[in-house]
Amino acid sequence: KAGVTQTPRYLIKTRGQQVTLSCSPISGHRSVSWYQQTPGQGLQFLFEYFSETQRNKGNFPGRFSGRQFSNSRSEMNVSTLELGDSALYLCASSPTNSNNSPLHFGNGTRLTVT
Amino acid sequence: GNSVTQMEGPVTLSEEAFLTINCTYTATGYPSLFWYVQYPGEGLQLLLKATKADDKGSNKGFEATYRKETTSFHLEKGSVQVSDSAVYFCALIPIKAAGNKLTFGGGTRVLVKP
Repeated sequence: KAGVTQTPRYLIKTRGQQVTLSCSPISGHRSVSWYQQTPGQGLQFLFEYFSETQRNKGNFPGRFSGRQFSNSRSEMNVSTLELGDSALYLCASSPTNSNNSPLHFGNGTRLTVT
Repeated sequence: GNSVTQMEGPVTLSEEAFLTINCTYTATGYPSLFWYVQYPGEGLQLLLKATKADDKGSNKGFEATYRKETTSFHLEKGSVQVSDSAVYFCALIPIKAAGNKLTFGGGTRVLVKP
């Protein structure tokens, strides 16, 4: 069974641009969560989608948005990029949105904003 | 709010040494507790979990016991290998939380030398 696939693996953007990251969950998984990982702030929850609906949202500005498609694939968009958005963005999938379902993480997309 | 505190690293050990990584938490009620491991260049992998007080999670020689009285979930391994070099994250989900919103500790880097 293929794992969680995130594309692209690396991305370099300049301030003010926007970026879209993609996540394909494990087949059959309907919940997709996104996390931001930085050396200073650690791992922070961005949002979670289940059956195409946003179920949870972290404390990030509105520049960060996401969506989920009917095949459970998810995209995350960041507009008007800032230097502080440089981070590893991790996607995780789970069969359900029950808090006892283990999360399966992808290898992440490393975003560098210059 | 919910929070997880881990001992700061890096922790440097010799092969076959005993490893302990301390983790304490603050949460409303009794959360589910997790240890995740991140190898270089990869996403996070679930190492073990415990969902109620006095539960012991174990996997790959690692163990952690859910201690309600001390709000702790310390990770231990009796004899580490070079391949255990990684960053270890303690995390929680509140027991009545909807969805998969994990709160992570800051991570502890472990380096095992031959």
